[in-house]
Amino acid sequence: AQRVTQPEKLLSVFKGAPVELKCNYSYSGSPELFWYVQYSRQRLQLLLRHISRESIKGFTADLNKGETSFHLKKPFAQEEDSAMYYCALWGGSNYKLTFGKGTLLTVNP
Amino acid sequence: SQTIHQWPATLVQPVGSPLSLECTVEGTSNPNLYWYRQAAGRGLQLLFYSVGIGQISSEVPQNLSASRPQDRQFILSSKKLLLSDSGFYLCAWAIPNSPLHFGNGTRLTVT
Repeated sequence: AQRVTQPEKLLSVFKGAPVELKCNYSYSGSPELFWYVQYSRQRLQLLLRHISRESIKGFTADLNKGETSFHLKKPFAQEEDSAMYYCALWGGSNYKLTFGKGTLLTVNP
Repeated sequence: SQTIHQWPATLVQPVGSPLSLECTVEGTSNPNLYWYRQAAGRGLQLLFYSVGIGQISSEVPQNLSASRPQDRQFILSSKKLLLSDSGFYLCAWAIPNSPLHFGNGTRLTVT
């Protein structure tokens, strides 16, 4: 079975502070991990995927297979980063994308 | 380019009434299609997915069903709605080895 855990339901930081949204996963095979973001009144959209190894909107995430983690990080948070963030795991051949319960990030001015 | 349409955007239905939510995808062929429900504090729950016409996999046994009558059409249905069916329903599509793309969602309130 595949499982994604986001331990923090809510995360509040001040503008300019570093932010880290935690994500841990459980999967017996070789997973593909994603971060999705949902801004207020917008559709859920892909933020980044681990195989791309890219930085989107200043966010990065590194897959740590030893710790089974895929934490999302940004060195300097901006107010426009306030949104709901979901970590997701793609199991590959089973066609399923499993999401965590999400973390609501609030960046205060 | 590919687009996904989901309607209606909001729906208020009485308990015991039927439900039909429709999702269509344009600009791609034979996509994998998905229905998710988003509930506060419970994240995104996969309800159904389909890898082809007439092929439906159910993830959560419940009051809902799904159908895929055409390649790019995915329908979520219920014969009799329950209060617990209230929520935000998201349709999504993907091609193999690519991320999911979501529709705008339908806010369903069962009264």
